[in-house]
Amino acid sequence: EDKVVQSPLSLVVHEGDTVTLNCSYEVTNFRSLLWYKQEKKAPTFLFMLTSSGIEKKSGRLSSILDKKELFSILNITATQTGDSAVYLCAVEGNYGGSQGNLIFGKGTKLSVKP
Amino acid sequence: DGGITQSPKYLFRKEGQNVTLSCEQNLNHDAMYWYRQDPGQGLRLIYYSQIVNDFQKGDIAEGYSVSREKKESFPLTVTSAQKNPTAFYLCASIDRGGKASWAFFGQGTRLTVV
Repeated sequence: EDKVVQSPLSLVVHEGDTVTLNCSYEVTNFRSLLWYKQEKKAPTFLFMLTSSGIEKKSGRLSSILDKKELFSILNITATQTGDSAVYLCAVEGNYGGSQGNLIFGKGTKLSVKP
Repeated sequence: DGGITQSPKYLFRKEGQNVTLSCEQNLNHDAMYWYRQDPGQGLRLIYYSQIVNDFQKGDIAEGYSVSREKKESFPLTVTSAQKNPTAFYLCASIDRGGKASWAFFGQGTRLTVV
């Protein structure tokens, strides 16, 4: 059964800390892994990863994929209170003749305290 | 501007009633998805549609129905058969470009049964 497992489920840090969020997956015919940030409502896109070992960066956020070990990490350096959110990992696979679905993990709830 | 619009943002339903959640996109995407999110949970797939006049059940389709008569529209009906419909519902459309897919989300509808 295809699945995406995120850890930890929740995390509390102080401003300035660095955090690492984990996402492991088992999926048929992997196509891509995506990270989203969800605050109040709709998730907003952070990164898409398709190739192993290539780090994607955006400001204080970075992410990398390991297709051999089937996991990805999302790093946030110098955290700020505005980073408080649920971070969702999603993986797309291919299933037979039709293109695949996005399978989401449960998310990691990050709380950054002043 | 291009995007996905869900309506209403908040919806209250009496037990035994059917309600329909609207999802419209002007991104010209073929694929559209409905997810349900419960507190502490990730996104679970209800139904998806890869093309007009075709749709497939996701992991938790029982008690829900959809239609896809137009490319732009993918309404979700929560029927009285859905035993626990109170949740946050997200609609997404998928841009299947190249090697990977991009998911664009609406702002969500929060459904409460009273």
